[in-house]
Amino acid sequence: DVKVTQSSRYLVKRTGEKVFLECVQDMDHENMFWYRQDPGLGLRLIYFSYDVKMKEKGDIPEGYSVSREKKERFSLILESASTNQTSMYLCASSSLGRPQETQYFGPGTRLLVL
Amino acid sequence: QKEVEQDPGPLSVPEGAIVSLNCTYSNSAFQYFMWYRQYSRKGPELLMYTYSSGNKEDGRFTAQVDKSSKYISLFIRDSQPSDSATYLCAMISGGSNYKLTFGKGTLLTVNP
Repeated sequence: DVKVTQSSRYLVKRTGEKVFLECVQDMDHENMFWYRQDPGLGLRLIYFSYDVKMKEKGDIPEGYSVSREKKERFSLILESASTNQTSMYLCASSSLGRPQETQYFGPGTRLLVL
Repeated sequence: QKEVEQDPGPLSVPEGAIVSLNCTYSNSAFQYFMWYRQYSRKGPELLMYTYSSGNKEDGRFTAQVDKSSKYISLFIRDSQPSDSATYLCAMISGGSNYKLTFGKGTLLTVNP
């Protein structure tokens, strides 16, 4: 079974703090993704990575950065957290092999920025 | 027009009912279609995956794709309270395009 784990289920941070969200997958997947999910807005792609040290912006990259130093690990960084970044953050991974289009999600991190 | 439209519901049905969940899309390049189920406060989990038009059945679940109408459906037979969740449709054009496009999800409640 594919397993995607996220470092925290719940986080509370203060405005201006630097926040790191970690994601690890154990299936040797090439692709990894970070989404945020908000009521009424659905899932929105922040960044994705198709290889180590490679990254591409998604639909809402502003205020975020990412790091992928190892194939199994993809980190999302909030350089200076703001209250509008309070959200559910979901990590996902997928393989270049068939079915490459299928993404497997982690349990999510609920971030509250005060 | 949004790329993927999905009625957010909420949808409430009695146990044992047949449930129909739907999405429409505008991008004719979409080739692969998925349904994810998301329980409250959990990550989405892949429920079904189909390619091109036609039907695919898995137990009580049937996924249907009509590419000519740009319309996909998920049917749940003999619905159970454990089916209560948000259902998200997702689709992708395939090839080197890694980006899934999601519907906003439909909240389903199955009442015992």
